[in-house]
Amino acid sequence: NAGVTQTPKFRVLKTGQSMTLLCAQDMNHEYMYWYRQDPGMGLRLIHYSVGEGTTAKGEVPDGYNVSRLKKQNFLLGLESAAPSQTSVYFCASSSILSGANVLTFGAGSRLTVL
Amino acid sequence: GQNIDQPTEMTATEGAIVQINCTYQTSGFNGLFWYQQHAGEAPTFLSYNVLDGLEEKGRFSSFLSRSKGYSYLLLKELQMKDSASYLCACMDSNYQLIWGAGTKLIIKP
Repeated sequence: NAGVTQTPKFRVLKTGQSMTLLCAQDMNHEYMYWYRQDPGMGLRLIHYSVGEGTTAKGEVPDGYNVSRLKKQNFLLGLESAAPSQTSVYFCASSSILSGANVLTFGAGSRLTVL
Repeated sequence: GQNIDQPTEMTATEGAIVQINCTYQTSGFNGLFWYQQHAGEAPTFLSYNVLDGLEEKGRFSSFLSRSKGYSYLLLKELQMKDSASYLCACMDSNYQLIWGAGTKLIIKP
């Protein structure tokens, strides 16, 4: 079982460049999330999705866009990268059948914006 | 505002017991989670408490007191592989997770 797979694992961007992070899960989970993790701070929710074709803003959505065209995939886009977006990004998924809403995380994508 | 507090770093000795505390203030409460995160890796689920009391799972136990807004994670018979960050997260009334900054646990031989 692959679980949650994120690509790429590492990326260096210049200010103003764009990129897309891909998240894929093979557990048939309904819910998917994008978080960012910065030193000294808790995980912060960027965007999330409760099903195919639906997305919603989290705590820190500015500068990011998302799409969920297929149930198994959740894409995070940066249209014009800024140094403040240097972070480790985690994708996670969970099942509506999981009463406790336990999250399964991907391995993370480390993004540096110069 | 919503807030989760946990110590930044703790040190313990191999074979000993350590307790990591977490206090929370959230708009409503729908459960408290503990996750383990090894350096450079993804967080993995450890425990979930929604009712008061102690939940035991092998060497790890988690306690919740809703009236005090308090939880702790108890790790027994510490092993070197337990060196990691431990993340406390609370689910609010909108079923959104609020995360603490994590407690880095250092295990010494």
